[in-house]
Amino acid sequence: QVQLVQSGAEVKEPGASLKVSCKASGYTFTDYYMHWVRQAPGQGLEWMGRINPNSGGTNYAQKFQGRVTMTRDTSISTAYMELSRLRSDDTAVYYCAREKLDWGQGTLVTVSS
Amino acid sequence: QSALTQPPSASGSPGQSVTISCTGTSSDVGGYNYVSWYQQHPGKAPKVMIYEVNKRPSGVPDRFSGSKSGNTASLTVSGLQAEDEADYYCSSYAGSKEVFGGGTKLTVL
Repeated sequence: QVQLVQSGAEVKEPGASLKVSCKASGYTFTDYYMHWVRQAPGQGLEWMGRINPNSGGTNYAQKFQGRVTMTRDTSISTAYMELSRLRSDDTAVYYCAREKLDWGQGTLVTVSS
Repeated sequence: QSALTQPPSASGSPGQSVTISCTGTSSDVGGYNYVSWYQQHPGKAPKVMIYEVNKRPSGVPDRFSGSKSGNTASLTVSGLQAEDEADYYCSSYAGSKEVFGGGTKLTVL
């Protein structure tokens, strides 16, 4: 069965960078887009962007352009989402999702000094 | 402000049906048959209930159905059960990007 296992919770200071990993199994990693979605405490879902694991091509939400980088390592079926210049309002649970059909367990990121 | 508009709340009694709307524009909901609906229980990851407007993944009860008319998509839950109480989100492809609705809290009375 499809599984997406994300890296663990992180606490970051404002201005730092964050890198979350998402290890996929149970399907051919390069066949499906991987999306990244976040959810701030008590708020709704927010699409951040997606990566084509086959080509490495990306599409980012305008809000995150210049701050987010999505990459992948096909040799280990893992996608990564890096967010720079963190602010307190980046505090959220970050999810990876295979074509938005299967979701990771989420990674809680807290940005605080 | 979310790109897609959903009512903040909906409710129904066990056994009843409830419909949740999701209104967008011709650039998203109206332009593509790529509307999805997600159920999210507190503290859990979202779970897809409907994709491509009206397709149900295996394991999702047929009490859940989706439809679309123009720029508005709808999720109908028939035969409401207590475990259906959750937050529901719609999303749509919008040309190299995705947009979400603000979410609807469904209460089973």
